Amino acid sequence: AQKVTQAQTEISVVEKEDVTLDCVYETRDTTYYLFWYKQPPSGELVFLIRRNSFDEQNEISGRYSWNFQKSTSSFNFTITASQVVDSAVYFCALSNFGNEKLTFGTGTRLTIIP
Amino acid sequence: DAGVIQSPRHEVTEMGQEVTLRCKPISGHNSLFWYRQTMMRGLELLIYFNNNVPIDDSGMPEDRFSAKMPNASFSTLKIQPSEPRDSAVYFCASRTGTGGDYGYTFGSGTRLTVV
Repeated sequence: AQKVTQAQTEISVVEKEDVTLDCVYETRDTTYYLFWYKQPPSGELVFLIRRNSFDEQNEISGRYSWNFQKSTSSFNFTITASQVVDSAVYFCALSNFGNEKLTFGTGTRLTIIP
Repeated sequence: DAGVIQSPRHEVTEMGQEVTLRCKPISGHNSLFWYRQTMMRGLELLIYFNNNVPIDDSGMPEDRFSAKMPNASFSTLKIQPSEPRDSAVYFCASRTGTGGDYGYTFGSGTRLTVV
C-alpha cells in the first residue's frame, strides 16, 4: 500500500516570505517516484517535479527547491521569496515501480498575501 | 504538442441522465488515467489503461461508471444514470513509458454538475 500525507491543509504567508510545504510518504517498495503538482485557481494540474527514490539530491529551480530525505520519508517543497502568483493548491504524489497508479496527498492550499 | 484534451470543460445535467466525458491523450503516450477530484475525497484514481487495455478499474465507484479506450487517441468515461453525488471535476492524464518513472500530464478537467 502507498500513502501520501500533507499535514498542512492551508498556509498563508505575506508576499516575499519563504514557505515550505511538507510531504510525508509511505511505501513498501524500494523503487518509487515522487511528484509535486500545482493546481492554480483556474483548476488545471501543473507538473512541477519528479524524483526517483535513488536520487536524494536536492533540486533547485528558480525560486523553487525540493528536499528529499529517505530517512524521514519526506519530500518537502520550498518556495523562496513567494509571489502572489504562487497562490494555489499544491499536491504531493507517489507512484511505485511497476505500478502506474499515482497516489495523491490531500493537498496544501497556499495563499500569498500581497 | 496540444497536451491532453478533455471535453466538455463544463457539463450540467439532470439526475438520471447519461453523461459522457471525453479525453484525447498526448500522441505517443501509451497509458491513460481517469481521476476524480472532490472536496471530500480529493484526487482519486478511477481507472487506467495501458496500450488501450484497462489495467486497474478498482477505483470505479459502481456499475454506473464505465470507461472505454477504443484506440490510442481516444477514451471515454460514461456515467449512466448520473446522480448528484457524481458532481466533481474529472481529470484525464496520460504518460509514456512504464514503471512509474515518467511524468503524468493532466488535461484541464471536466467539471460535472448533476442537479
